[in-house]
Amino acid sequence: SQTIHQWPATLVQPVGSPLSLECTVEGTSNPNLYWYRQAAGRGLQLLFYSVGIGQISSEVPQNLSASRPQDRQFILSSKKLLLSDSGFYLCAWSQLAGYTGELFFGEGSRLTVL
Amino acid sequence: AQSVTQLDSHVSVSEGTPVLLRCNYSSSYSPSLFWYVQHPNKGLQLLLKYTSAATLVKGINGFEAEFKKSETSFHLTKPSAHMSDAAEYFCVVSARNTGFQKLVFGTGTRLLVSP
Repeated sequence: SQTIHQWPATLVQPVGSPLSLECTVEGTSNPNLYWYRQAAGRGLQLLFYSVGIGQISSEVPQNLSASRPQDRQFILSSKKLLLSDSGFYLCAWSQLAGYTGELFFGEGSRLTVL
Repeated sequence: AQSVTQLDSHVSVSEGTPVLLRCNYSSSYSPSLFWYVQHPNKGLQLLLKYTSAATLVKGINGFEAEFKKSETSFHLTKPSAHMSDAAEYFCVVSARNTGFQKLVFGTGTRLLVSP
């Protein structure tokens, strides 16, 4: 069966520090991968998605970047965090072939920037 | 462009009473519609999905939703609430005839269940 792992679960970082959130998927190959951010009281905002190794699409201009160094690994990064980067970050995957719209989410990473 | 509106930010029910979470959508194309549930500090889980088959869709944990094109609605219902249903629920729309299907999430409805 497929599983998705996301870490760290919680992170408290000072403004201006770097960020690295990692996500890996097991039990499937060639998945679509996604990073979402969920701010308090708001819906999910798609930040990045990837349909293959090295292929990253950005949905919103921001202080963050994403990379996909391996087929089932998706990394969210920042060189210098801003206060506004605080939030709950969710990694997700979906099937590439026969995509039906179902996303499978990780447990999330809560980032607090102080 | 696609969008969804969840009409209630919070819904409170008593255990054993019916649940109704409302969602209206807008889509330029024939949509796929989904309901996801999120328990506190957890990821999201798919409850059910509509993809142009039967308009009444049954999901997990006794939830169901009815696609009504004339009303552009996709409300989520459950006959009898359980304490474990307390969570946040998201209505989601996707346009099926685009090359890469991006999901658009509503702002969520928090369901509170009292004993």
